[in-house]
Amino acid sequence: DAGITQSPRHKVTETGTPVTLRCHQTENHRYMYWYRQDPGHGLRLIHYSYGVKDTDKGEVSDGYSVSRSKTEDFLLTLESATSSQTSVYFCAISRDRGSNEQFFGPGTRLTVL
Amino acid sequence: AQRVTQPEKLLSVFKGAPVELKCNYSYSGSPELFWYVQYSRQRLQLLLRHISRESIKGFTADLNKGETSFHLKKPFAQEEDSAMYYCALSPYNQGGKLIFGQGTELSVKP
Repeated sequence: DAGITQSPRHKVTETGTPVTLRCHQTENHRYMYWYRQDPGHGLRLIHYSYGVKDTDKGEVSDGYSVSRSKTEDFLLTLESATSSQTSVYFCAISRDRGSNEQFFGPGTRLTVL
Repeated sequence: AQRVTQPEKLLSVFKGAPVELKCNYSYSGSPELFWYVQYSRQRLQLLLRHISRESIKGFTADLNKGETSFHLKKPFAQEEDSAMYYCALSPYNQGGKLIFGQGTELSVKP
């Protein structure tokens, strides 16, 4: 499982509330990614990080922010959740940009009512 | 534009039949392409990548730059191959991020 965990695994929340999802790795990999998985869209990149405090936007970053204050943790925050953010969220890690093989976490199923 | 297209949402075959999952890409450069697989209740995992030119679990995929395709093939499907398959492209020098296709669900019937 490449030492990746996500918490929580399931969450139901209401529109307008803040939500934070956590990705934790024990591999000391430099690169970390947040994707969302939706039917008909596959996985789409939200944000990624290439080191502590170094992050960049993906293709669907609106409404999301991230933080990485230490190598092992990458947090995804929905400042004010909307129903369109109901999805399954996957975290992934990669040893380096050159290998490009990503290892995925188990996913977090988020429902926004 | 950087894009990956998997035209089939669902592919259903019988055990022992050949399988081809289609993947087309749009990218102005030399792409690095992958196939990822997600079995029921398991994590997404790498199946194979084009640069290694290997065969994993009997699956192969050949990069065709002329047709901008990276189709996944297996000559004889097994029931345990039933899963969701994603084709993905990694653009050069963009932090190793992956651009995924929409996914194809493969169902192998006994």
